Amino acid sequence: AQSVTQPDIHITVSEGASLELRCNYSYGATPYLFWYVQSPGQGLQLLLKYFSGDTLVQGIKGFEAEFKRSQSSFNLRKPSVHWSDAAEYFCATQGGSEKLVFGKGTKLTVNP
Amino acid sequence: DADVTQTPRNRITKTGKRIMLECSQTKGHDRMYWYRQDPGLGLRLIYYSFDVKDINKGEISDGYSVSRQAQAKFSLSLESAIPNQTALYFCATDRGVYNEQFFGPGTRLTVL
Repeated sequence: AQSVTQPDIHITVSEGASLELRCNYSYGATPYLFWYVQSPGQGLQLLLKYFSGDTLVQGIKGFEAEFKRSQSSFNLRKPSVHWSDAAEYFCATQGGSEKLVFGKGTKLTVNP
Repeated sequence: DADVTQTPRNRITKTGKRIMLECSQTKGHDRMYWYRQDPGLGLRLIYYSFDVKDINKGEISDGYSVSRQAQAKFSLSLESAIPNQTALYFCATDRGVYNEQFFGPGTRLTVL
């Protein structure tokens, strides 16, 4: 069965610093991968997704993610973090199942 | 207006009470989902429905039931609430596999 692991429970960065959130997937074939963001008190919103093709995908709010098959990873990046990026971030996969399987999330704190 | 709405947004109840959480969507999607979010555990799938006549159990369906009253409405019931069902509940919808899921704002349920 497919699964995703987010190794970092909580990350703190300073405003303006770069950000990388890690996600590792487990699935034999090419997985379908997603990053969602949950702002405080709100539901989840899709940031970006990867199905095939170019391994560097661009999303909303200035985020990007890179699919690396050799490392079974789909890390989320942003070159300069804004205070409004403080939220919880979830990696998810649909690899062979019609159901979305979520990681446990990484909470991002942004210091002024 | 929001595409996916949930009522109530907050609910406090007592052990043994029957509770219904309601979800409505205006996306016109056939597929709807109920998730539960607990701190540090991410989102876990309770039930899902791919059309009005289709109901499927997710990974944590024990203690819950659902009703798909129409394409746009999907309700989650706790027949006899217990304290470990205290959590944040999300409804979501999508138009097919590998497509973006759209989430409601969540219902925070507390069982005393």
